[in-house]
Amino acid sequence: SQQGEEDPQALSIQEGENATMNCSYKTSINNLQWYRQNSGRGLVHLILIRSNEREKHSGRLRVTLDTSKKSSSLLITASRAADTASYFCATLGSGGGADGLTFGKGTHLIIQP
Amino acid sequence: DAGVIQSPRHEVTEMGQEVTLRCKPISGHNSLFWYRQTMMRGLELLIYFNNNVPIDDSGMPEDRFSAKMPNASFSTLKIQPSEPRDSAVYFCASRGANTEAFFGQGTRLTVV
Repeated sequence: SQQGEEDPQALSIQEGENATMNCSYKTSINNLQWYRQNSGRGLVHLILIRSNEREKHSGRLRVTLDTSKKSSSLLITASRAADTASYFCATLGSGGGADGLTFGKGTHLIIQP
Repeated sequence: DAGVIQSPRHEVTEMGQEVTLRCKPISGHNSLFWYRQTMMRGLELLIYFNNNVPIDDSGMPEDRFSAKMPNASFSTLKIQPSEPRDSAVYFCASRGANTEAFFGQGTRLTVV
């Protein structure tokens, strides 16, 4: 199964600034997904980028994927206090079979009002 | 659809007791995952099923842990006997083919 590793582990910025989080993985993938987790709750899917895509936008979110470097980044623009959460990446393998989604330890993002 | 439904939401049990966690995936999803989350270890994949068949249970920590999926709409994760170090939040998630995973609200397990 695949595993994403996020960095930094923790990030604290001022409201209104942009937040960038990175994810690295090890083997070939079908797609990469970013999730968000508010304290005490389940993960919520944010955005999915396929291996043949290089960039994707959704509202204030921008995701890039570099398959040559096996890395992805998640950019949150014009951050808000409500964006405070942990963010995780997960990958789906390209083997075509049933793959487990594995997650890293996540990036804990704190937006200071 | 109500999403992935887990029960109970909270469970407090004494060491040595059997614990059963339940999950109802989203209808039509063919993959189901069980995760455990702790501060120390993060989010660990315990086991996942595809079309009700266990595909990879290498994440199950010990023989005390077992999981079943008797049909497409129900799965259980059982711990017998439970130990204090099993205390964690246990999440169930499901997904369809090449789609994102949808998570339940989790079961917070405390073993005293």
